This record gives sequence, C-alpha cells and structure tokens, in this order.
Amino acid sequence: DVVMTQTPLSSPVTLGQPASISCRSSQGLVENDGNTYMNWLQQRPGQPPRLLIYKVSTRLSGVPDRFSGGGAGTEFTLKISRVEAEDVGVYYCMQATHFPYTFGQGTKLEI
Amino acid sequence: EVQLVESGGGLVQPGGSLRLSCAVSGFTFSNYWMHWIRQAPGKGLEWVSSIRGAGTTTIYADSAKGRFTVSRDNPKNTLYLQMSSLRAEDTAVYFCVREVCTNEVCKLFDYWGQGTLVTVSS
Repeated sequence: DVVMTQTPLSSPVTLGQPASISCRSSQGLVENDGNTYMNWLQQRPGQPPRLLIYKVSTRLSGVPDRFSGGGAGTEFTLKISRVEAEDVGVYYCMQATHFPYTFGQGTKLEI
Repeated sequence: EVQLVESGGGLVQPGGSLRLSCAVSGFTFSNYWMHWIRQAPGKGLEWVSSIRGAGTTTIYADSAKGRFTVSRDNPKNTLYLQMSSLRAEDTAVYFCVREVCTNEVCKLFDYWGQGTLVTVSS
C-alpha cells in the first residue's frame, strides 16, 4: 500500500499569515494515463471532508484561490496564502492512483 | 442540487451484521463511480470500497474483503454496503462519496455525504 506521510501533524497559525502542509508518498503517483491523482481535503469540525484540490494543483470549483497545491513525484504541498478563521480544521492528502486509495494522517490547523 | 444521505448505522454486537444505505439525488447516479470511506472516532480517513456506475466492478480494502459487500440499485438511486462479521475496529463514521470520471477528468471525489455512525460493541 502507498503510505502518505504528512508534516506537520499540527500547525498553529496566525490569521492573515501563510501556512503550508507537506505530504510525501512512499511511491510515485503518476498513473498510466499520465495523471497524478493527488488530492487535498479539508475537514472542518463536525463536518464531512470536502475536496479542495485534485490532480496535485487543480482547485475544485468554489474553493478560494488562497489555497494552492503543488509538487511532483513523491513530494506534494498544500499552501494557504493568508489563513482565515474558516480555514480551521484538519487537512488530509489522499492518493487515488493506486488501490487501495490511501490518506495522510491529517494536519490540524489551529489559530 | 446534489445530495448524498447515508443511513443504517447503529450499535451492533461483534460478529453481527448491518446494511448501510446512501440515497442520492440531483445527478444521474448510474454515470458515477461511488465509494465508501470511513473514519474511526477521532481518527483519520480510510477507503473501504468502490463500485462502478453500472455495478459491474467492485473493489475492496483488505480490511473489508470477505466481510463487506458493496452494491447499488441504480433505478432507486441508492448505494449499499452490507457488512457482516463486524469487529470493534469497524467502529467508524461511514461516508458515501461520489467520484466524477469523464473524458476530461477522473478520480474527482467531489461530493461527500454527512456519514452514518456504526458502533460495534457488546
């Protein structure tokens, strides 16, 4: 199974300041079709997860542009340019290239 | 409006069975892969099972193989997860998730239900 390792696991942030979360996969995530199925999800307290970014860097419609994803190979990053209060929650990376699909442990973003 | 509403969770004894349902609306159900993903209390996310739109292909995590069966009734717009031989470690909130897969984009897990809690305990 592909192991997804996130760092940090907890991230105290200041409103208006940037934040960054890293995710390393134990295998490359490029599928036979040439795409890299690396996703980022946000889970606010008491809510189901919500997809923010798919295929490494594409924001889902409606996701604020302060969220950006990047990376390649086995190293990926989620960045928030200026943290807002509504961004508090847990962020997960998820790979959907190899079955079983696997998730990082989650990074708790707290003000 | 796309909606996914899970039901069927509850308290069950170890070794028991339970069937989860996910009623969907707002889209053409048969055109989409669907997934079950679970989250143990206070823990992270774990993919459990997937099923193709036509129901012809099913895939399971090792933890679910031989015990769980995913199915769908497309005319009823409902996804199911039949769970048997339940263990304490199956205790979790179970989410049903829609996947977009078109010629332009695939593996886009764009809608998640609110989840249904399964508790396995004596």
